[in-house]
Amino acid sequence: AQSVSQHNHHVILSEAASLELGCNYSYGGTVNLFWYVQYPGQHLQLLLKYFSGDPLVKGIKGFEAEFIKSKFSFNLRKPSVQWSDTAEYFCAVRSGYSTLTFGKGTMLLVSP
Amino acid sequence: DADVTQTPRNRITKTGKRIMLECSQTKGHDRMYWYRQDPGLGLRLIYYSFDVKDINKGEISDGYSVSRQAQAKFSLSLESAIPNQTALYFCATSDSPGGFTDTQYFGPGTRLTVL
Repeated sequence: AQSVSQHNHHVILSEAASLELGCNYSYGGTVNLFWYVQYPGQHLQLLLKYFSGDPLVKGIKGFEAEFIKSKFSFNLRKPSVQWSDTAEYFCAVRSGYSTLTFGKGTMLLVSP
Repeated sequence: DADVTQTPRNRITKTGKRIMLECSQTKGHDRMYWYRQDPGLGLRLIYYSFDVKDINKGEISDGYSVSRQAQAKFSLSLESAIPNQTALYFCATSDSPGGFTDTQYFGPGTRLTVL
């Protein structure tokens, strides 16, 4: 069975700081990987996804993630965060034709 | 984005009551999902449906049932609500993986409180 681990439950950063949120998954076969974001009071929306090809994936709002197969990781990064990036971030994995499995989420608070 | 709608948006009910949460979508997707979100636990899958005649249990289906009335409608029922079913419930849709996107599109959520 697939599973997803997000290492940080809460992250607090100042504006302009760099961000890296960790995500590891536990399935050895072909996977599809996703990062979703949930802004305060809103529903989840897709930030970026990896299916195949270039392991460095670029998403919306300046976010990117790198798939490192040998480390079973798909960490989310942003060089310089803004106050508007305050949100909860969820990593998710899908293998084969299974359903998505979500991590427990990381709450990011960016102070102005 | 009003492609996936949920009703009601908020509901307070009492232990033992039957309650139905409804989800409608205009995206034309075959696949629909019900999740619950609890603080610190992320999203957990309750039920999913890959087409009108297909219903599958998810990770935490006990205490819940679903009905797929049409391609566009997927309802979640709590036959006898209990306090630990207090949560935020999300409906989502996706196209089939044959399209190799399988992005899930979420509704705005229903906040359910069981007293």
